[in-house]
Amino acid sequence: AQKVTQAQTEISVVEKEDVTLDCVYETRDTTYYLFWYKQPPSGELVFLIRRNSFDEQNEISGRYSWNFQKSTSSFNFTITASQVVDSAVYFCALSALSSGSARQLTFGSGTQLTVLP
Amino acid sequence: DAGITQSPRYKITETGRQVTLMCHQTWSHSYMFWYRQDLGHGLRLIYYSAAADITDKGEVPDGYVVSRSKTENFPLTLESATRSQTSVYFCASKNRTSVRYEQYFGPGTRLTVT
Repeated sequence: AQKVTQAQTEISVVEKEDVTLDCVYETRDTTYYLFWYKQPPSGELVFLIRRNSFDEQNEISGRYSWNFQKSTSSFNFTITASQVVDSAVYFCALSALSSGSARQLTFGSGTQLTVLP
Repeated sequence: DAGITQSPRYKITETGRQVTLMCHQTWSHSYMFWYRQDLGHGLRLIYYSAAADITDKGEVPDGYVVSRSKTENFPLTLESATRSQTSVYFCASKNRTSVRYEQYFGPGTRLTVT
């Protein structure tokens, strides 16, 4: 069975601060993908990134960066110079070969990020 | 280019009533999913479908029924709504079974059972 843990329920930062959202996962599969989704106050779920289990290179996209470490089973998300518009719930998710025939996602419980002006 | 839509967006119903949540996607994606979102639980899979007339249970299927007679539609029915089914429901789809493909989500339906 798969499991994704986001231990930080809520985080509050002041604008321009850097913030890291933690994600720890469990799977017995060697082939899997990790995802991050953003859910802004409007409620929709927005795909941010996916990372496969064979690629441990960190990824940067503008102010967003992701650190994938298989040794610690973590896939952390850092927002640099946070902005008020980054306020949202962020979900980490996992898809593995043993996730089921549809390779469905297993989600963490989410981290509510509030960026204060 | 509507993508994936859900209706209604908001619904209030009474305990014991039957209610159907609709999901429609325009991409002809093979796979469709229903999740519920509850505080502290993230999103949990209710049912999924690999193709028309092929459905399977997810993590929390009790009290729900699905059908998929057409590729583009995947309705979710609560046969006899209970207060514990008050939640936000998301429909999602993806094109292939591979683990690398992300799911695309609808806007959600907020259901309140009184």
